[in-house]
Amino acid sequence: ETGVTQTPRHLVMGMTNKKSLKCEQHLGHNAMYWYKQSAKKPLELMFVYSLEERVENNSVPSRFSPECPNSSHLFLHLHTLQPEDSALYLCASSLADTQYFGPGTRLTVL
Amino acid sequence: SQQGEEDPQALSIQEGENATMNCSYKTSINNLQWYRQNSGRGLVHLILIRSNEREKHSGRLRVTLDTSKKSSSLLITASRAADTASYFCATASDSGSARQLTFGSGTQLTVLP
Repeated sequence: ETGVTQTPRHLVMGMTNKKSLKCEQHLGHNAMYWYKQSAKKPLELMFVYSLEERVENNSVPSRFSPECPNSSHLFLHLHTLQPEDSALYLCASSLADTQYFGPGTRLTVL
Repeated sequence: SQQGEEDPQALSIQEGENATMNCSYKTSINNLQWYRQNSGRGLVHLILIRSNEREKHSGRLRVTLDTSKKSSSLLITASRAADTASYFCATASDSGSARQLTFGSGTQLTVLP
């Protein structure tokens, strides 16, 4: 275990649903990240939070909405997703250069 | 285009053999890191090498960095079946936020018992 947990581990949702992914880190880190991993593609950085402020939003569609209420928790709110949004969503945290990843949420959009 | 590109995309070896994976990148870096991912799981950090370092060791892992060629290699010696996984290089830029990593597409390593 890396000290970063993600729930749920698997999620199936319709295109009209609203759901949220949760990430929690128990490492005392001050930065948290959301990545998207699709088959045959490199990890795509979606959002970066440093000291609870969003410092990066890599042209992510507005149907993905991040929230970082404190340095230990990170959420990704999902609404009106598309089938191409099906992927493994990974959360990570860091204090310095090394990032620690959670196990991911496997999302399937029907 | 990707900052980090691993080569080969897939590698299959026998247990006990050495495995070498290469990574090329395009821009100046602060550091380069290698991560491992077991199927459908999160990534695990293996080793970090800074731009002013040329070689680093950690157990059975050896990483080299050639900033003039913008390339790095990861060597796993005496491989085991448990080393079967995808391996990714990730670069941290020397400008902007060094916390942001850019990942390559990965090398899928299969170690046959």
